[in-house]
Amino acid sequence: GIQVEQSPPDLILQEGANSTLRCNFSDSVNNLQWFHQNPWGQLINLFYIPSGTKQNGRLSATTVATERYSLLYISSSQTTDSGVYFCAVVGAAGNKLTFGGGTRVLVKP
Amino acid sequence: DTEVTQTPKHLVMGMTNKKSLKCEQHMGHRAMYWYKQKAKKPPELMFVYSYEKLSINESVPSRFSPECPNSSLLNLHLHALQPEDSALYLCASSWNLATEAFFGQGTRLTVV
Repeated sequence: GIQVEQSPPDLILQEGANSTLRCNFSDSVNNLQWFHQNPWGQLINLFYIPSGTKQNGRLSATTVATERYSLLYISSSQTTDSGVYFCAVVGAAGNKLTFGGGTRVLVKP
Repeated sequence: DTEVTQTPKHLVMGMTNKKSLKCEQHMGHRAMYWYKQKAKKPPELMFVYSYEKLSINESVPSRFSPECPNSSLLNLHLHALQPEDSALYLCASSWNLATEAFFGQGTRLTVV
């Protein structure tokens, strides 16, 4: 099946800093999503982005499907941005949403 | 409305108990999923239902039994679980298998 790798595994930021999270995948994809998991376990949809660029407030994402990676940008980070960020994909030949290992983000005040 | 509702939020059960987890969505989605998540790990797929039919079973032990009574509801029946089955169980739904998936808030299960 498709492989999904996220980097870095852990990230510590000072409030106000910017950061970039990366997701590499091993095959063509029909679906790519970024999620934020809060401390209570809720997976919150950030972006549905199998290709192209999207922005939502301080967050933006870019997927370069031909090069098999996606980037999530967090600007002017806030303590509420802390949590785990997951990238998940459905491969072009697949039929299930497969998660990467996640990036654990801690934003310090 | 992009809400998937799971009940209960927390569940403690003994190894001889029978319990059920419930999941409901009213978005008209035709694909529904169960995922299991252990601490500090990503969610792992257990089952996929498409148009109320089981389409994927990721070799899940038979002590977990899924059921899709209609297009809005998904149940997970639990019987004779082991302590290592303690985890966060997440339900999700989407229009089809390739479109945006939405997750419920999860059921945190503890087996004692």
